[in-house]
Amino acid sequence: EVQLVESGGGLVQPGGSLRLSCAASGFAFSSYAMSWVRQAPGKGLEWVSTLSGAGGSIYYADSVKGRFTISRDNSKNTLYLQMTSLTVDDTATYYCARDATSIFRGLYWGQGTLATVSS
Amino acid sequence: EIVMTQSPGTLSVSPGERATLSCRASQSVSKNLAWYQQKPGQAPRLLIYDASTRATGVPGRFSGSGSGTDFTLTISSLQSEDFAIYYCQQYNKWPYYTFGQGTNLDIK
Repeated sequence: EVQLVESGGGLVQPGGSLRLSCAASGFAFSSYAMSWVRQAPGKGLEWVSTLSGAGGSIYYADSVKGRFTISRDNSKNTLYLQMTSLTVDDTATYYCARDATSIFRGLYWGQGTLATVSS
Repeated sequence: EIVMTQSPGTLSVSPGERATLSCRASQSVSKNLAWYQQKPGQAPRLLIYDASTRATGVPGRFSGSGSGTDFTLTISSLQSEDFAIYYCQQYNKWPYYTFGQGTNLDIK
């Protein structure tokens, strides 16, 4: 069974940083691209970033480019999202999702971790 | 950016009835479209990918159709557990995904 468990969310002041983690199990982690998708309170879904299985290809939404860094440790089956220069607009539940191998067959989501940016 | 527009914003349907949800893309996405269900306080759950392929474990009352710019999710006979928010997602320009704003399916 695919399991994704996010952690690292919390309350941070504007301009601060957070590092999110996503522990994966139940599938061949290094074979899959992995993504982060966020959802502001009461709002819809916004793609944030994707990282290929081997880590060689990285993609970011314009809204986070230059501030967020996605990475992974395939030896630990863990995905990360380093978030810096946070603003109130980054307040959201951040979901880790299993993405594609060679073919996209939908996203499988973790339960999410809430990051709140507030003074 | 491909803009996804879902309609209606809210759909009120009685249990046992049929629900039809729509999703329109601002440009063709071929069949590169997925549907997700989200219940309050939960993560989205994959229902459909490639416009019409049900994900593992998804009941047969859920079906998807369409290609190009117009897509439909149909729930043939609504069960109590189906009342939720539904999102469409295009992946034609992987991985620059965009999602619709959601349709809230609630009990009439």
